[in-house]
Amino acid sequence: AQSVAQPEDQVNVAEGNPLTVKCTYSVSGNPYLFWYVQYPNRGLQFLLKYITGDNLVKGSYGFEAEFNKSQTSFHLKKPSALVSDSALYFCAVRDNGWGYGGSQGNLIFGKGTKLSVKP
Amino acid sequence: DGGITQSPKYLFRKEGQNVTLSCEQNLNHDAMYWYRQDPGQGLRLIYYSQIVNDFQKGDIAEGYSVSREKKESFPLTVTSAQKNPTAFYLCASSIGGTYSNQPQHFGDGTRLSIL
Repeated sequence: AQSVAQPEDQVNVAEGNPLTVKCTYSVSGNPYLFWYVQYPNRGLQFLLKYITGDNLVKGSYGFEAEFNKSQTSFHLKKPSALVSDSALYFCAVRDNGWGYGGSQGNLIFGKGTKLSVKP
Repeated sequence: DGGITQSPKYLFRKEGQNVTLSCEQNLNHDAMYWYRQDPGQGLRLIYYSQIVNDFQKGDIAEGYSVSREKKESFPLTVTSAQKNPTAFYLCASSIGGTYSNQPQHFGDGTRLSIL
């Protein structure tokens, strides 16, 4: 079975400081991993994805994420947080279908982490 | 601009009433999805469709129905059998369907409440 865990409901950061939003996952096969951001009363916006290759993935708005296969993690990072980064962040995973994953290949979302950046 | 349009933005349902949420995309995507978002629970998949005239149940399909008569449109009906329909409903589309490495693109949602 696939699952995604975002262990922190909320992360508080001062503007200008680095931020990390944590995500761990479980899939039977090999994963495709995604990060999305949601602003109040809006849909989700895609930030970045890991498919294969380089473990450090760069995405939109200065965000990056590091894939760690041994720790089954895909933490979202940014070197210097902005107040405008305050939003709800979702990690998502799906089995890539190569090898016997036993899943339907649908995207599974974590419960979300609220990021609050204070001036 | 290409994108996904959901309407209405807010919707109220009376007891015993069916309501339909609209989702239209002009991205030429084959796959479309409906999710339900409740506070603190992330997104849960209701239904998805990978091609016109075909759709599959997701994890929480009971009390919902869909149709996919056109590539651009994937309306969701919340039936009276759905006893707890109050939630934020999100429609999404993507180039590929299951097992795809392509991201999903989301509309801005419909917030459904009970009168």
